[in-house]
Amino acid sequence: DAKTTQPTSMDCAEGRAANLPCNHSTISGNEYVYWYRQIHSQGPQYIIHGLKNNETNEMASLIITEDRKSSTLILPHATLRDTAVYYCIVSGTGTASKLTFGTGTRLQVTL
Amino acid sequence: GAVVSQHPSRVICKSGTSVKIECRSLDFQATTMFWYRQFPKKSLMLMATSNEGSKATYEQGVEKDKFLINHASLTLSTLTVTSAHPEDSSFYICSATGTSGRGGQFFGPGTRLTVL
Repeated sequence: DAKTTQPTSMDCAEGRAANLPCNHSTISGNEYVYWYRQIHSQGPQYIIHGLKNNETNEMASLIITEDRKSSTLILPHATLRDTAVYYCIVSGTGTASKLTFGTGTRLQVTL
Repeated sequence: GAVVSQHPSRVICKSGTSVKIECRSLDFQATTMFWYRQFPKKSLMLMATSNEGSKATYEQGVEKDKFLINHASLTLSTLTVTSAHPEDSSFYICSATGTSGRGGQFFGPGTRLTVL
């Protein structure tokens, strides 16, 4: 699986948009970009995933560059409950596809 | 939909005992389940992949005789930590994939194991 690079940490004011970048320059044509987050002492929570088109759901938006070498997760109106470690992972969609977790980005939402 | 549960959520045991952790998919059939381990302030590390009715595939460096995995049905996988020692103390998390209609994995809430 392709590796990803994320900033170690980011801060965001409550109510503002949080934009979390991810580089995945070695992504292959059939690999998807997944985003998960982990709130302290809980299991990871799925946020969103995409192949090449931008995606939006009730939690977030995913913007993937045209060359697919990087992406940005956008939380449009961050709240204190969005404070977590956010993981960007590149993987296939098969049921046996592994997820390789990097160090992620620790997002701290502040008042 | 696509809920995964784990039991117990926390367990404390004495060194040398064995501990069993259950992972259940509550509203879907899990064709594949994964077991991860997470040490404090570290990322999740995949331990093994299991498919219903077949032997688990372990990641390099994970002892299959110490971490016994059974995936007897499409909704249940168990991880047994045999002869646990203090260095096995960790956060164990399972995930599942299956007939949910989308890719990726659904994660359980995790089990905190403390070995005294």
